[in-house]
Amino acid sequence: SYELTQPISVSVALGQTASISCGGKRLGTKNVHWYQQTPGQAPRLVIYRDFHRPSGIPERFSGSNSRDTATLNISRAEAGDDGDYYCQVWDTNTGIFGGGTKLTVL
Amino acid sequence: QVQLVQSGPEVREPGASVKVSCTASGYTFSNFVINWVRQAPGHGLEWMGWISTSQDTVDSPQRFQGRVTITADTSTNTVHLEVRNLRSDDTAIYYCARAPTSTISGRPIYFDFWGRGTLVTVSS
Repeated sequence: SYELTQPISVSVALGQTASISCGGKRLGTKNVHWYQQTPGQAPRLVIYRDFHRPSGIPERFSGSNSRDTATLNISRAEAGDDGDYYCQVWDTNTGIFGGGTKLTVL
Repeated sequence: QVQLVQSGPEVREPGASVKVSCTASGYTFSNFVINWVRQAPGHGLEWMGWISTSQDTVDSPQRFQGRVTITADTSTNTVHLEVRNLRSDDTAIYYCARAPTSTISGRPIYFDFWGRGTLVTVSS
């Protein structure tokens, strides 16, 4: 079955740019979506179809996808960006999530 | 505004069944599909399946087939998830999530709105 690989944790200094990777075989041929989950809350869509931002998501959030890696970038990191981030794709009609990355803003 | 309101927490013994509901409002129910995603304590997200009321279609991964049923009541804009023969590792928060669909395949694309989740605890 298809697998998505994310780093367990990423740290970023306040005001700097955080990059969270998501790896998968020929991932660049799929549409990647990203979700943010802050403690005790439901997930929230922050990027869809590789780089599109839903209404209400700050421009600080951006995404890219090429070859075997998709990346979520969060610029000018804020304390409120702390949380878990998940990438997601569809493979053979099955929803697949990455294992999640815990982002810590220092 | 779009809302997905889920039913309250449940506690069941191993071997029992549970039915969780998700009531949608703030949009045309038939224009989107509803998915179920669960999260065991301290773990990541796991997709469980989806239902389309406009196309009368249901799909779920093979690992859940035979033990999970997803149904919809269009008169109340409510989707139900039933899990049978519960095990301790079914203890999780169960989320419903709305998804727009592909105009080509009719299948979900991404999860744009989520319910707050329903905690199901399986314990003897």
